Amino acid sequence: KAGVTQTPRYLIKTRGQQVTLSCSPISGHRSVSWYQQTPGQGLQFLFEYFSETQRNKGNFPGRFSGRQFSNSRSEMNVSTLELGDSALYLCASSLGAGINTGELFFGEGSRLTVL
Amino acid sequence: DQQVKQNSPSLSVQEGRISILNCDYTNSMFDYFLWYKKYPAEGPTFLISISSIKDKNEDGRFTVFLNKSAKHLSLHIVPSQPGDSAVYFCAASAYTTGANNLFFGTGTRLTVIP
Repeated sequence: KAGVTQTPRYLIKTRGQQVTLSCSPISGHRSVSWYQQTPGQGLQFLFEYFSETQRNKGNFPGRFSGRQFSNSRSEMNVSTLELGDSALYLCASSLGAGINTGELFFGEGSRLTVL
Repeated sequence: DQQVKQNSPSLSVQEGRISILNCDYTNSMFDYFLWYKKYPAEGPTFLISISSIKDKNEDGRFTVFLNKSAKHLSLHIVPSQPGDSAVYFCAASAYTTGANNLFFGTGTRLTVIP
């Protein structure tokens, strides 16, 4: 069974630009969550999508947005990039329905560097 | 405001001995707790979990203990193996904020010395 796939794995942007990251969940998983990992803050929850709807949102500014498509693939977008947005962005998927225990399957992440 | 804390950034243990990783939390609404393991250049992988209605959960060499009154949980690995060397994150969730909204600690790097 293929795991969670994130693209691109690495990217470099400059301040003020925008970036789009992609995540393909495990087949059959309908929930996709996004996390930001930085050395000082650890992993922080960005948002979760389930059946194309944002189900939950963390404490990030509106520059961070996402969406989910009918095939459960998800994208997240960061506009007007700031230096502090440099991080590893992790996508995680789960079945998302029924008993939801928070056991997530993570991708390898997209490492964003903002110069 | 870090609601889940792992105060030890690193831990070194001899192979075959017990590894004990600790985690504290502040939010009494948390009702599910998980441990994830992360190798370099890989995403975190789920290791073991415990519901707030239990105080212990065991899975092979891994046991998680929960002390709700102290808002503390720990992960015991017995016996420790070199392949266990990784960064371990504890995480917590609350029904009210969504099961997939996990609050993570900052991680503890475990090194098992052969």
